[in-house]
Amino acid sequence: EVVLTQSPATLSLSPGERATVSCRASQSVSSYLAWYQQKPGQAPRLLIYDASNRATGIPARFSGSGSGTDFTLTISSLEPEDFAVYYCQQRRNWPLTFGGGTKVEIK
Amino acid sequence: EVQLVESGGGLVQPGGSLRLSCAASGFTFSSYAMTWVRQAPGKGLEWVSTISGSGGNTNYADSVKGRFTISRDNSKNTLYLQMDSLRAEDTALYSCAKDRTTVTTYWFDPWGQGTPVTVSS
Repeated sequence: EVVLTQSPATLSLSPGERATVSCRASQSVSSYLAWYQQKPGQAPRLLIYDASNRATGIPARFSGSGSGTDFTLTISSLEPEDFAVYYCQQRRNWPLTFGGGTKVEIK
Repeated sequence: EVQLVESGGGLVQPGGSLRLSCAASGFTFSSYAMTWVRQAPGKGLEWVSTISGSGGNTNYADSVKGRFTISRDNSKNTLYLQMDSLRAEDTALYSCAKDRTTVTTYWFDPWGQGTPVTVSS
């Protein structure tokens, strides 16, 4: 099973700051990695797929990078609505797995 | 607009059964793989099962294999999850999700709001 380890667990930032969330895979997943955003009481929303492609309707301030075992989700300038939990997910190997999540909170 | 609405959750005793449903609308249901994902209270996301658009191909997490069965009725635009031999550790919010494209990618977009399942005596 591919284990995805996200860091940090919590990121405390102010609106307008840059957020960087890391996802490290226990083995190579090539570029088969996605990022989701989940707000309290809401369903997760797909942000990024195939490591760097923004999903439909996702603002340009969200970007993804990486391949192999190391991936990064970057929010260039945090908007108030971006404070949420972010999860990575891989589809390279069965079973499909998610990272443990990173909470981006208001400082 | 794509809509996914889950139902069928509730309180069940250990060893019991439940059948969850996910009613889909706003897209050609039979063209998309569908997935169940669960989230235990205060915890992260766990993939449970995926079924192809035709229903002919299914995959399960080891934690539910042999106890849960995913199925779909394309004439009713509905996805199901039959859950048997339920355990306390199956307690979670169960959400269905549509694949991003008709060519199965295993990227989930969008998700339903979920239906809660509590396994307790």
